[in-house]
Amino acid sequence: KQEVTQIPAALSVPEGENLVLNCSFTDSAIYNLQWFRQDPGKGLTSLLLIQSSQREQTSGRLNASLDKSSGRSTLYIAASQPGDSATYLCAVRPGWDGGFKTIFGAGTRLFVKA
Amino acid sequence: GAVVSQHPSWVICKSGTSVKIECRSLDFQATTMFWYRQFPKQSLMLMATSNEGSKATYEQGVEKDKFLINHASLTLSTLTVTSAHPEDSSFYICSAQAGANYEQYFGPGTRLTVT
Repeated sequence: KQEVTQIPAALSVPEGENLVLNCSFTDSAIYNLQWFRQDPGKGLTSLLLIQSSQREQTSGRLNASLDKSSGRSTLYIAASQPGDSATYLCAVRPGWDGGFKTIFGAGTRLFVKA
Repeated sequence: GAVVSQHPSWVICKSGTSVKIECRSLDFQATTMFWYRQFPKQSLMLMATSNEGSKATYEQGVEKDKFLINHASLTLSTLTVTSAHPEDSSFYICSAQAGANYEQYFGPGTRLTVT
């Protein structure tokens, strides 16, 4: 059974720092992996989607990597800003065998201090 | 494109009543939709998979008679919480799957509060 773990659970950093959020998963047979941002009381904002054949994706100050064989993904945020404060969720999607049912990690709550 | 809406965005109901939540794919057809639930400060947990024209598949521990799912068309799935109790208060999010690559698009969520 696929399990998704995110470390750390919470993180507080001063503005301007580069930071790395970690996600690990137990079953490497995934279809894709996606990083989301969720603001308090709000829905999901998709940040980056990495297909199983890809190793990384970049968007602005965000870079996500995927190492399927080791069951790991990282989300790198460069030059963090107070507006980056949110919960970041890692979501792993299995393929046909898993019914494409997305499994979410518990999230990393990020607070960027001005 | 690829927008998923949910209605209502928030709802308050009394214990014992039923409430229906709609999930619509606005500009595409979705043969499969998923329903998730998120309790405060917890992650999203899949409740059920909804396929157009057939019965929903529920995850272990989710009561199918309490959470009625209907996927009557390719653009609409509904989740009805029957005889709601305060412990059903949660954030409910749907997603719609479409395309040759099985892309998944999430709705904005519905916050249910049962008093």
